[in-house]
Amino acid sequence: DSGVTQTPKHLITATGQRVTLRCSPRSGDLSVYWYQQSLDQGLQFLIQYYNGEERAKGNILERFSAQQFPDLHSELNLSSLELGDSALYFCASSVGSGQNIQYFGAGTRLSVL
Amino acid sequence: GENVEQHPSTLSVQEGDSAVIKCTYSDSASNYFPWYKQELGKRPQLIIDIRSNVGEKKDQRIAVTLNKTAKHFSLHITETQPEDSAVYFCAARGNAGNMLTFGGGTRLMVKP
Repeated sequence: DSGVTQTPKHLITATGQRVTLRCSPRSGDLSVYWYQQSLDQGLQFLIQYYNGEERAKGNILERFSAQQFPDLHSELNLSSLELGDSALYFCASSVGSGQNIQYFGAGTRLSVL
Repeated sequence: GENVEQHPSTLSVQEGDSAVIKCTYSDSASNYFPWYKQELGKRPQLIIDIRSNVGEKKDQRIAVTLNKTAKHFSLHITETQPEDSAVYFCAARGNAGNMLTFGGGTRLMVKP
């Protein structure tokens, strides 16, 4: 167990809908990262937050947004869902925002039907 | 931005043999290179990492080498065991925050 908690484990929804994925980092970690893992594209970095502020942005779609709350948990919001958004979404956390090991949560498997 | 290529995409070895997975990166400013192992349906787990001021690092049966000039790094697993079967991902971190760019993954199968 990495100490990073993601909920829910599985999510099934329909196209056009909106969902929220939740992540609680390891105790003491200030950075949270979101990654998308689909079958044909491996692990893609979406966004990083450090102590409540956005620190780095990857190839995150405009339909997706994230935030990190004062208690350091983070939420990833996915809206106007499309079939192609079906994937595993991983959250990772690290102590700081620099050269720190990232520990991954168990992921949320999103299925858009 | 950073681009990481990983080869091979699949690798099948006999138990006890060695396995080598290679990655190249594009950003010469990248300075941290972790390797993650992901078993089916599980989270990626860090197995070894190397920083740009080091050429080689070893941890029991696993070793990683880094050639900064050629911008490539490799994972070496010796005396492979069936439990080594998994997908392995290399990654590179540049100067922007702690963002990791991952390679496409290598599915390693160790046959008993």
